[in-house]
Formats: sequence, structure tokens, C-alpha cells
Amino acid sequence: SQKIEQNSEALNIQEGKTATLTCNYTNYSPAYLQWYRQDPGRGPVFLLLIRENEKEKRKERLKVTFDTTLKQSLFHITASQPADSATYLCALVASGGTSYGKLTFGQGTILTVHP
Amino acid sequence: GAVVSQHPSWVICKSGTSVKIECRSLDFQATTMFWYRQFPKQSLMLMATSNEGSKATYEQGVEKDKFLINHASLTLSTLTVTSAHPEDSSFYICSARVGSRETQYFGPGTRLLVL
Repeated sequence: SQKIEQNSEALNIQEGKTATLTCNYTNYSPAYLQWYRQDPGRGPVFLLLIRENEKEKRKERLKVTFDTTLKQSLFHITASQPADSATYLCALVASGGTSYGKLTFGQGTILTVHP
Repeated sequence: GAVVSQHPSWVICKSGTSVKIECRSLDFQATTMFWYRQFPKQSLMLMATSNEGSKATYEQGVEKDKFLINHASLTLSTLTVTSAHPEDSSFYICSARVGSRETQYFGPGTRLLVL
């Protein structure tokens, strides 16, 4: 069956360090992958999208990589700040079939950045 | 731009009653809206996809007679939880998309508590 795993339920880091979050998937052929931020009691906020033919995407302090051979995406936040503390979700969209266009989410990683 | 609102933000109701949740795209026209459910410490699970003017498509295991979805206009979709029971208590989140564009914009969510 299809599976999306964010292999850290929680990640604690010190302010200023780089946070690296991992998203692995199995039995899936994603057309693209997205990362979202979700604060407690709020809906997800879109951060970055990376397509299957792209290796890396950057936006300010954020960087996403996508390795379709390893079936893995890494999400980096450089120079992390306490305000970056939130739950980060990866989401995949299948490349075809009845699931095309639908987002399937991982379970999320709770990031806490300590001052 | 691309703001999605939900109303109400939280609702408490008695078991057996029906609850309607509204999802509006405020500054764009959404050809497709999605409804998700999120239980505590779990990720978002897609319930249904609705296209303006068409019947909603429900995910496997979601009862269409219990969760009525209406997408009457390009800026409004409603989810009605009929004969709600305590197990329906959850965080309901909608998202909206323009055409076949890749990004979904999420609402702030509605917390439902059924007593």
C-alpha cells in the first residue's frame, strides 16, 4: 500500500542551527511534492512545491530536495528561529490515475526551535 | 491573495443534530474545493473533492449521506455533518484550488465537538 512517512515525530534544535526534516514514500509515483507549515489549531500554509523532475528548490531560508530514486524529500530551514516552531507536513500528488491532483499528507514533524 | 475562510471556527453541538460548515475563497474563484478531517496528533485525511456545479467525489470510507457537500458557486462550498455523533468530533479543514493549478490554499479550519 502507499505510504508517506515523516520519520521524526518531533525535532528539537537550537536557534541559528539548520533544521532538516525528512519525508519518505513507498509505492507511490508522485508528480510533485509539497511542504506545508501548520500551527496549532490552524490550517496548513503552503511553503514550497517541487516537481518530480526537479532536484532542489529554494525560497529564502527554506530548501527542499527531491530524490525520486531514494523516494525521499528533505526540507531544510537554515538559521532557524523560535518563530519557525510549528508542525511541518509533506504532501504528495500522484502522477496519474484517480488520485491525480489530490494531496496525500504525511503525519507531520513537530519542530521546536529553542532560543 | 488566495485567502480561504471557514465559518464557524468552532462549534459545539448535541449528538443527533446537524452542523453546516462554510468554506469561502475570498479573492479568487475556486473551481475545486477539498474537505479534510484531522484528528488530534494525526495528519489531514482527504474526505471529498467537490467541483463547482458537480456532485462531490468522496474518498473510500467516507459516508456521503452523512457528510453532505454542496459547491454551489465558485467561491463557496459547504459541508454538512448530518446526525452528528461524538466520533465525528474533529478538526475540519477545507482547501481551494484554481483550475488544475498545483497549489491548494487552506482555510483556518473548524473545530467540531459533538457532545
